[in-house]
Amino acid sequence: GAGVSQSPRYKVAKRGQDVALRCDPISGHVSLFWYQQALGQGPEFLTYFQNEAQLDKSGLPSDRFFAERPEGSVSTLKIQRTQQEDSAVYLCASSLNDRALAKNIQYFGAGTRLSVL
Amino acid sequence: KQEVTQIPAALSVPEGENLVLNCSFTDSAIYNLQWFRQDPGKGLTSLLLIQSSQREQTSGRLNASLDKSSGRSTLYIAASQPGDSATYLCAVRPRETSGSRLTFGEGTQLTVNP
Repeated sequence: GAGVSQSPRYKVAKRGQDVALRCDPISGHVSLFWYQQALGQGPEFLTYFQNEAQLDKSGLPSDRFFAERPEGSVSTLKIQRTQQEDSAVYLCASSLNDRALAKNIQYFGAGTRLSVL
Repeated sequence: KQEVTQIPAALSVPEGENLVLNCSFTDSAIYNLQWFRQDPGKGLTSLLLIQSSQREQTSGRLNASLDKSSGRSTLYIAASQPGDSATYLCAVRPRETSGSRLTFGEGTQLTVNP
């Protein structure tokens, strides 16, 4: 596709409900990133994939958060037993190839706005 | 732990003014620094990327400078326009080869009044 696509754009969940957020990266992009952006804050790193390998998940706030990219393209961020503090915009980004670190621009999707009631 | 701070948090200017947005970071071991623009309800758009070995980058009315040793970057916007109204974020990327995460500041919300 032309850019990074995320779905759904908006998600309202009841506390305790499980949610799944989808990211379609730019075709051919090797690296994929998830960020969490709270209202009025900058994005904070959650996790990073290179192809299907999850190389860094140190930013995931708890074991209720799980991300996968089984075929090295589409990725899903799953949040189990959602809590109010999970309310945020979840941004996905992709970049072409991590080997050329210096010139690797991350392209961001529009995000999924999650509201937990 | 890398920390990125942006000043001011919000800025309102009349159309046509030149303005400067500031970004500072605590760990100078960076690979590059990026400036992004974020419009309400939309994702981030990369504006400028400065390699750690560079001092500045220019694109149109935008000029970004980097002083790595002092941990500072500035984004200069010339002849501001109402369409420049958005939140501007700076982000740094660590120097270690396995480090791909970006660390963001909290952003500067810019309003350019016609």
